[in-house]
Amino acid sequence: QVQLVESGGGVVQPGRSLRLSCAASGFTFSKYGMHWVRQAPGKGLEWVALIWHDGSNKYYLDSVKGRFTISRDNSNNTLFLQMNSLRDEDTAVYYCARDEGTDYYFDYWGQGTLVTVSS
Amino acid sequence: DIQMTQSPSTLSASVGDRVTISCRASQRITSWLAWYQQKPGKAPKLLIYKVSTLESGVPSRFSGSGSGTEFTLTISSLQPDDFATYYCQQYNSYSPLTFGGGTKVEIK
Repeated sequence: QVQLVESGGGVVQPGRSLRLSCAASGFTFSKYGMHWVRQAPGKGLEWVALIWHDGSNKYYLDSVKGRFTISRDNSNNTLFLQMNSLRDEDTAVYYCARDEGTDYYFDYWGQGTLVTVSS
Repeated sequence: DIQMTQSPSTLSASVGDRVTISCRASQRITSWLAWYQQKPGKAPKLLIYKVSTLESGVPSRFSGSGSGTEFTLTISSLQPDDFATYYCQQYNSYSPLTFGGGTKVEIK
């Protein structure tokens, strides 16, 4: 069965960096695009970034462009989100989600990892 | 960016009620719309894609309809397990992909 397990969240000061990981299993990771979606406490869902199955294309929410980098290691079935210059407004649960494959919606989600940006 | 507006933001209903949630897009998205269910402390779960196609394993009491800019999620007979927050998402444009603000279905 498809499993996505995020890790790397925690408490970090504004301006600092954090790297999230998402370990994938139960499917051929290298065949699927992957996303990061976040949810601020008590708020709705916000898409953050997309990476194509082979890493050849990446897309970002405007507010994270230049600060966040999505990447993947298809050899180790792992998705990453490098987050630099973190701001208070980046505080959220970060979910990794699998792209359906031909259209850009999310058919499987991880359990999420909480990132808290606070001084 | 395509803005997605859901209504109502909160809905109070009883078991057995027919429930309808609306989602409006700021521009035409043809049929590129999905619906998700989220329970407190849990990840969202895909219910419907391409406006009306039920994801495998989703009960048939859930249905989706609409086209262009106006879309609807209907639960034909609300069950105890359906009390949750529901989100629509457009994927007509993937930069950025956008969600509605959510509709919380509460027990009346």
